[in-house]
Amino acid sequence: QLQLQESGPGLVKPSETLSLTCTVSGGSISSSSYYWGWIRQPPGKGLEWIGSIFYSGSTYYNPSLKSRVTISVDSSKNHFSLRLSSVTAEDTAVYYCARHGGGLSRNFDYWGQGTLVTVSS
Amino acid sequence: QSALTQPASVSGSPGQSITISCTGTSSDVGGYNYVSWYQQHPGKAPKLMIYDVTKRPSGVSNRFSGSKSGNTASLTISGLQAEDEADYYCCSYAGTSTMFGGGTKLTVL
Repeated sequence: QLQLQESGPGLVKPSETLSLTCTVSGGSISSSSYYWGWIRQPPGKGLEWIGSIFYSGSTYYNPSLKSRVTISVDSSKNHFSLRLSSVTAEDTAVYYCARHGGGLSRNFDYWGQGTLVTVSS
Repeated sequence: QSALTQPASVSGSPGQSITISCTGTSSDVGGYNYVSWYQQHPGKAPKLMIYDVTKRPSGVSNRFSGSKSGNTASLTISGLQAEDEADYYCCSYAGTSTMFGGGTKLTVL
């Protein structure tokens, strides 16, 4: 059974960089059939796609966050990571990692449990 | 980019059917057959219920079905059950981007 687990600091100071890692178990991140993505959800609000990465390193990002986001993959460790720079209080959210199909399908079929990141001094 | 438009809330009684709409544009919902739907219970991660407009993942009840007409996609839940009470989100491919709806709270009366 595929499992995804987010990890990283739960508190980040304003203007600093948020860094999270998603570790995949029960399957290989190097599968050519899937992309790996990050989605966030501010408290009490809806979902927002941040970006996705293929095992080869090919990425695509939400245009509204693109200037601040970097997603990378480490196949040797079977994990992928998110970096979001220059954070503000508006970046406070539960951050989820998830898998979706290759091609154009947006079938996020496996999700991590989510991790709350609070931006505060 | 703006979120896809969903009603804030819908409600129904056990056994009834309800439909949740998701309205976008020709650049997202209307332009591609890549709409998915997610169910989210409080404090839990979202769960995939429908993908590629009409497809149902293994293990999802056939009480859940999806459709699309023009720029609006719809999720229908038939035979409402208490456990269906949750937030529901649509999602669409949008060129090089991916968009979610604002979410709909389903209350089972």
